[in-house]
Amino acid sequence: VQLVEFGGALVQPGRSLRLSCVVSGFPFNNYAMHWVRQAPGKGLEWVAGISWNSNTIKYADSVMGRLSISRDNAKRSLSLRMDSLKTDDTALYYCVKDGDVTGHFQFMDVWGKGTTVTVSS
Amino acid sequence: QSALTQPASVSGSPGQSITISCTGTSSDVGGYKYVSWYQQHPGKAPKVMIYEVINRPSGVSNRFSGSKSGNTASLTISGLQTEDEADYYCSSYSGTSSLYVFGTGTTVTVL
Repeated sequence: VQLVEFGGALVQPGRSLRLSCVVSGFPFNNYAMHWVRQAPGKGLEWVAGISWNSNTIKYADSVMGRLSISRDNAKRSLSLRMDSLKTDDTALYYCVKDGDVTGHFQFMDVWGKGTTVTVSS
Repeated sequence: QSALTQPASVSGSPGQSITISCTGTSSDVGGYKYVSWYQQHPGKAPKVMIYEVINRPSGVSNRFSGSKSGNTASLTISGLQTEDEADYYCSSYSGTSSLYVFGTGTTVTVL
C-alpha cells in the first residue's frame, strides 16, 4: 500500500492551491479517504473525508467553505482544492486511507508521507 | 470541535508499563466505538497502533493495548522499550459537524 502526495507549495494569503494524492497497492474504489494536516511543531488535525463513492463528504469546521475534497476512482487519485488560503493553513498535509472495508468512515489506517503547504506573503 | 485532552508527556523506564489517557465527551469518545491511537516518530508519518478502542492492526506489538471507560480512552504500553519513544495521538469519530477529532498529543519518553 502506497500513498504519494504532491502539489504542496509556498503561496500568498488569499490564493488557491490544489493537492493531489496517487495511491497503489489496494482497491482504491473500496475505501474512504481523508486529508489530515499538521502545522509545524503542532498536533494532528483532521481536515476532510470522502466516502468510497463520493456520496458522503465531511469537513472540519476550520476549513468549511474554503477547502474541497474530491476523488477520481478511475485514476486512483484523491484531491484537495484549497481556496482563500490563510497563514493558519500552513502545514504538512497527509493523504490517508480509511480502514473500513465497506468504504465508509472508521479510522485512519495508512498514511502517506505528506506534502508541505506554506502560506506566507 | 475541541481537541481531545491528553497529558503532554508521560515517561517510564525500560520494561515498565505506562498509560496515556484521552478524555473527550459523550459526543465523541463516550458515544462511539471508533477510538484509535497513532504513534508518530520525529519526521515520520503517523502509524495506527489501535483502532475501534481495543483492536491492534497486524504487525503491531501486543505490548500495546487500548481500553475505554465513559468519555475517557486509554492506551497502555507494557514492557516499555526505547523504540516506543514517540508522540502518541488519540482520535475519535465525532457526532458533530467535524467527522473526527484528534487528541492534543502525548510525548512518551523512555528514561
